[in-house]
Amino acid sequence: NAGVMQNPRHLVRRRGQEARLRCSPMKGHSHVYWYRQLPEEGLKFMVYLQKENIIDESGMPKERFSAEFPKEGPSILRIQQVVRGDSAAYFCASSPFTGGGLSEQYFGPGTRLTVT
Amino acid sequence: GQQVMQIPQYQHVQEGEDFTTYCNSSTTLSNIQWYKQRPGGHPVFLIQLVKSGEVKKQKRLTFQFGEAKKNSSLHITATQTTDVGTYFCAGKAQGGSEKLVFGKGTKLTVNP
Repeated sequence: NAGVMQNPRHLVRRRGQEARLRCSPMKGHSHVYWYRQLPEEGLKFMVYLQKENIIDESGMPKERFSAEFPKEGPSILRIQQVVRGDSAAYFCASSPFTGGGLSEQYFGPGTRLTVT
Repeated sequence: GQQVMQIPQYQHVQEGEDFTTYCNSSTTLSNIQWYKQRPGGHPVFLIQLVKSGEVKKQKRLTFQFGEAKKNSSLHITATQTTDVGTYFCAGKAQGGSEKLVFGKGTKLTVNP
């Protein structure tokens, strides 16, 4: 059973460009979470999605950031007009049950975004 | 909003010594989870505690959930070099959002 997959693993963008990060959850999982991690920092919750629904986006910046999890295909985290402060590791996690906080989360390998 | 604090931020031990990290939440939790992240890697789930006062063991690792469900600890007996990494606790607030709030982690280094 393949684990959570994320691509690309490394992404370099110039300031002002768009970054698009993809996450394919584990087979059978319908809940996806996105986190941001800065060096030597913990994981900061960004958004929790189920298929075609955003359940909790309280951790997402109001501007430039958006996320989706379509009926078919991977979940996408989109960052428009990137700035240097967006440089971080972005992790996706998936879980099998309703109520993400009560289920273990399986993390992908992350996408390391560097904004130059 | 809900905050989860972990101490210490860093811990250096000699191989064979014990190690403990502590986790405290500003709100009562419905559950707490622990994850380990190796350098350059991704978080890996270790365990979940749900009941007040619960204690669980995994070989040399002992996890505790406080009676008030606001704090937790992870204790490693006789550390090995394979224990190196950052240990995170993460909790879901009782009656709150479904999201997990992570502590900043304790980074453990083990000198052979």
